Amino acid sequence: NAGVTQTPKFRVLKTGQSMTLLCAQDMNHEYMYWYRQDPGMGLRLIHYSVGEGTTAKGEVPDGYNVSRLKKQNFLLGLESAAPSQTSVYFCASSLAGVFTDTQYFGPGTRLTVL
Amino acid sequence: AQSVTQLDSHVSVSEGTPVLLRCNYSSSYSPSLFWYVQHPNKGLQLLLKYTSAATLVKGINGFEAEFKKSETSFHLTKPSAHMSDAAEYFCVVSGNKLVFGAGTILRVKS
Repeated sequence: NAGVTQTPKFRVLKTGQSMTLLCAQDMNHEYMYWYRQDPGMGLRLIHYSVGEGTTAKGEVPDGYNVSRLKKQNFLLGLESAAPSQTSVYFCASSLAGVFTDTQYFGPGTRLTVL
Repeated sequence: AQSVTQLDSHVSVSEGTPVLLRCNYSSSYSPSLFWYVQHPNKGLQLLLKYTSAATLVKGINGFEAEFKKSETSFHLTKPSAHMSDAAEYFCVVSGNKLVFGAGTILRVKS
């Protein structure tokens, strides 16, 4: 039981490049989330999903897209990376009650945009 | 609307002394409240959770927190700090969304 895994762990992009971050969970959780963490700001929600085939915007969705084609996977895409997107990205999942149930976090992806 | 304020960005204690990490919240709902811990270069791990049952919540690794509605506080405590407690701690309030505090970095001196 791996819990929540994220790939890649580290990535360096040039401005304008695109990339996809992959999140996978093996706990059969219904809800999945993408956050970004910046110093002194805690975690901020980018997008979330309440089930396979559904996505919704969080607090800071601009510049990101997501897809949840399979229940166990939640992809975060950057179409044209900008230096402001340099951050640590965390994926999380929860079994029940979006925003009210315990969330289980992956180890994070450290992204640098030059 | 919900908000959460962690009153200290950094806390330093000596090993074996008590730990107090302070958190105040506001919420239009009956909130769920969480404390998460993040060790360096790791993801967040749940320490404890309050969901309107007992006001004193016990978590993992000897941590506990008390929900005080009159003071809108949810402070995290531990009687005796251990070196392995050094990490960043986040207070989180939920209602119609999840709001994270800015974090408190706990340093434990030997």
